[in-house]
Amino acid sequence: AQKVTQAQTEISVVEKEDVTLDCVYETRDTTYYLFWYKQPPSGELVFLIRRNSFDEQNEISGRYSWNFQKSTSSFNFTITASQVVDSAVYFCALSERFYMIKAAGNKLTFGGGTRVLVKP
Amino acid sequence: DAGVTQSPTHLIKTRGQQVTLRCSPKSGHDTVSWYQQALGQGPQFIFQYYEEEERQRGNFPDRFSGHQFPNYSSELNVNALLLGDSALYLCASSRTGTGYGYTFGSGTRLTVV
Repeated sequence: AQKVTQAQTEISVVEKEDVTLDCVYETRDTTYYLFWYKQPPSGELVFLIRRNSFDEQNEISGRYSWNFQKSTSSFNFTITASQVVDSAVYFCALSERFYMIKAAGNKLTFGGGTRVLVKP
Repeated sequence: DAGVTQSPTHLIKTRGQQVTLRCSPKSGHDTVSWYQQALGQGPQFIFQYYEEEERQRGNFPDRFSGHQFPNYSSELNVNALLLGDSALYLCASSRTGTGYGYTFGSGTRLTVV
């Protein structure tokens, strides 16, 4: 069974500070995908980033960066120079490989989320 | 290009009643998945529909059922509502062969009283 744990329930920072969100996952599959989603008060889940299990290269995309380490089953996410608009709940999610033909992707297993509050 | 559209946005039902939630996928998407998000928790997978068939199902009772129509839109039905069914129900659409490109709607907030 797959599982995603986000130990931080809430993080509060002052604008322009960096924010790092922790994510630890469990899976028996060797091929899987990891995601970060943002959920603003409107409720819609907004896709941020996706990595597959074969690509441990850490990258930076604008103010977002991530640190994927298979050895520790962690997929941490950092917002650099936070802004008030970054205030939201952030979810880490895992999707194992789906073996059925004609599949459009496997189900997502989400962590419990981390609420980020950026104060001006 | 419209994203995922869900209706209604809010709904109040009484215990024991039945409810139907609707989802129109993003243009070009052919697969619809439904998630339940209780207050303060992460979304939980209910089921996924592709080619008008249920392809995957999470740990939800048979009271939860669904349907997908030829135009790819989908319905989620919940029978014999319980107080614990109160949650935000999210619909996500994706397109076969494009690799995990899920687009989520804003959800339907269901309150059972």
